[in-house]
Amino acid sequence: DTEVTQTPKHLVMGMTNKKSLKCEQHMGHRAMYWYKQKAKKPPELMFVYSYEKLSINESVPSRFSPECPNSSLLNLHLHALQPEDSALYLCASSQEGTVYNSPLHFGNGTRLTVT
Amino acid sequence: GENVEQHPSTLSVQEGDSAVIKCTYSDSASNYFPWYKQELGKRPQLIIDIRSNVGEKKDQRIAVTLNKTAKHFSLHITETQPEDSAVYFCAACSLGGAQKLVFGQGTRLTINP
Repeated sequence: DTEVTQTPKHLVMGMTNKKSLKCEQHMGHRAMYWYKQKAKKPPELMFVYSYEKLSINESVPSRFSPECPNSSLLNLHLHALQPEDSALYLCASSQEGTVYNSPLHFGNGTRLTVT
Repeated sequence: GENVEQHPSTLSVQEGDSAVIKCTYSDSASNYFPWYKQELGKRPQLIIDIRSNVGEKKDQRIAVTLNKTAKHFSLHITETQPEDSAVYFCAACSLGGAQKLVFGQGTRLTINP
């Protein structure tokens, strides 16, 4: 199994809703990542978990809350989002905690629309 | 921090011709340079990468060259095919510090039949 699986594929939510994005990998990778990608732009790093511990938070607003229940799962909890948060949210994993020795494997993403 | 510039932003070539995309980076400590291909509506996928201890790497029709002195690296695609049409992102990563990938802005490559 060489895939990173993300659910849901599409999500529409209001600004007062609470929702969660889920990511799963069964490649035994020890690092997992959340990226945000706006149209026609590169992925922007949000969070990195290395060995189930949060290692990087790129000054992301608190309305985004990551969670890593175990080494295979990564969640992103969403609350009180703004319309400008609409984007493609990509999960990725890498075998080790550094991209130098282990390239990123991306999931297909969740396309989020905030109304 | 690292800054990666990518050119051109769009590139259109005839099928069978070659395509070249160029990136420059600012941090001389960066030592890992991957290239990702993202087809419309799909995830970015690693197509080739190079580390700073080599100057060139090739995989079938795709090659990457690295010039550490000038701090630039390039993607070369030969004998282009329609399925090469996609957005290509270069990236750079430093072994030290936070070891984050910094992406270029992307190149939209269109192969004309």
